[in-house]
Amino acid sequence: KNQVEQSPQSLIILEGKNCTLQCNYTVSPFSNLRWYKQDTGRGPVSLTIMTFSENTKSNGRYTATLDADTKQSSLHITASQLSDSASYICVVSPREGANNLFFGTGTRLTVIP
Amino acid sequence: NAGVTQTPKFQVLKTGQSMTLQCAQDMNHEYMSWYRQDPGMGLRLIHYSVGAGITDQGEVPNGYNVSRSTTEDFPLRLLSAAPSQTSVYFCASSLPPGLAGINEQFFGPGTRLTVL
Repeated sequence: KNQVEQSPQSLIILEGKNCTLQCNYTVSPFSNLRWYKQDTGRGPVSLTIMTFSENTKSNGRYTATLDADTKQSSLHITASQLSDSASYICVVSPREGANNLFFGTGTRLTVIP
Repeated sequence: NAGVTQTPKFQVLKTGQSMTLQCAQDMNHEYMSWYRQDPGMGLRLIHYSVGAGITDQGEVPNGYNVSRSTTEDFPLRLLSAAPSQTSVYFCASSLPPGLAGINEQFFGPGTRLTVL
């Protein structure tokens, strides 16, 4: 069964600290993996998109890694800011269709002063 | 560019009522989709369209209708609302996938619907 699992479900960190969010997937075949940031009451916003041939991609203080062999991805946030408080969603796209996306349930990150 | 816009932002319906959630995009994207987001679950695809006049069902289409008469607009219709349709609804748009099979989706701000 195609699934995307994220951990932890929620995380609280102090401002300025780093953190790493995990995503494991069983989707096959595999085309690309995306990380989205969703602020409370808003729609998801794309952070990174990686194909199977890429193993790391950065977007400012956000760095995503991908191991297509073990079907694992992580999102590392450096020097966290209060504005990083949001849900982070991992999404996997198989090869078949543009609209056949598999969404994780997200990790809720809270950054406190 | 306004991006993807959705109206209304909030709506309360009684069981059996009908309504239309509006979605519009000004990026000339061919692909548009409707998702629902429920607590503890990932976003689930309701219906999608790959161009004007073309629509197809997603994972959870029952109780919803769509049409795509223009590139810009993709309304979602609830014919007879049920409490199980209480959810947050997101519209998304994108260009067709490129050679790498990637098409970045742009999401609207969402509509929070409560059915009593």
